[in-house]
Amino acid sequence: EPEVTQTPSHQVTQMGQEVILRCVPISNHLYFYWYRQILGQKVEFLVSFYNNEISEKSEIFDDQFSVERPDGSNFTLKIRSTKLEDSAMYFCASLRGSNTGELFFGEGSRLTVL
Amino acid sequence: GQSLEQPSEVTAVEGAIVQINCTYQTSGFYGLSWYQQHDGGAPTFLSYNALDGLEETGRFSSFLSRSDSYGYLLLQELQMKDSASYFCAVVSGSARQLTFGSGTQLTVLP
Repeated sequence: EPEVTQTPSHQVTQMGQEVILRCVPISNHLYFYWYRQILGQKVEFLVSFYNNEISEKSEIFDDQFSVERPDGSNFTLKIRSTKLEDSAMYFCASLRGSNTGELFFGEGSRLTVL
Repeated sequence: GQSLEQPSEVTAVEGAIVQINCTYQTSGFYGLSWYQQHDGGAPTFLSYNALDGLEETGRFSSFLSRSDSYGYLLLQELQMKDSASYFCAVVSGSARQLTFGSGTQLTVLP
């Protein structure tokens, strides 16, 4: 069964450092997303990506964040100059098409900022 | 903006039936989804309602009333493995992004 894969599963970084979280969405899916979940809280939308560009982004997704789909398979989230409050689980997800509400989530990348 | 309301906790015993309600306010609404999340795990899809009415998938059913901005998830024949967090999420916007509720922690007792 196809699945969304994410790397790394856990990353520890120092405050102020840059991190890149990587995702390989399901190959025939059209919409790609990043969500984050701070421990014990709800899942929050960060950004959606469709047709090789950002289609929607939340207030959380400020200039510190960027996304890329460099090679048609990988989908990356870059966080520049990390802050303590960026510590969270980051989930990548993909959606096959606009007529379904079934998002497929990866297992997440846990980011710890010290 | 968008907002969703669902109960924070529900407790039930094995074999029982539980209903988790969700009310929402949103613009550009396409549908209501439900996800299950076990501790430390990824959200997994349970159901999606784009139209009014009841959708049934095994022990789980989901209902939507668009006019009332209301939906629910019904879990039947509860099992211990059903203990998890359950999130309702509205699907909206041109990118079909999900906006999640705060989640309902379901505890199933023996």
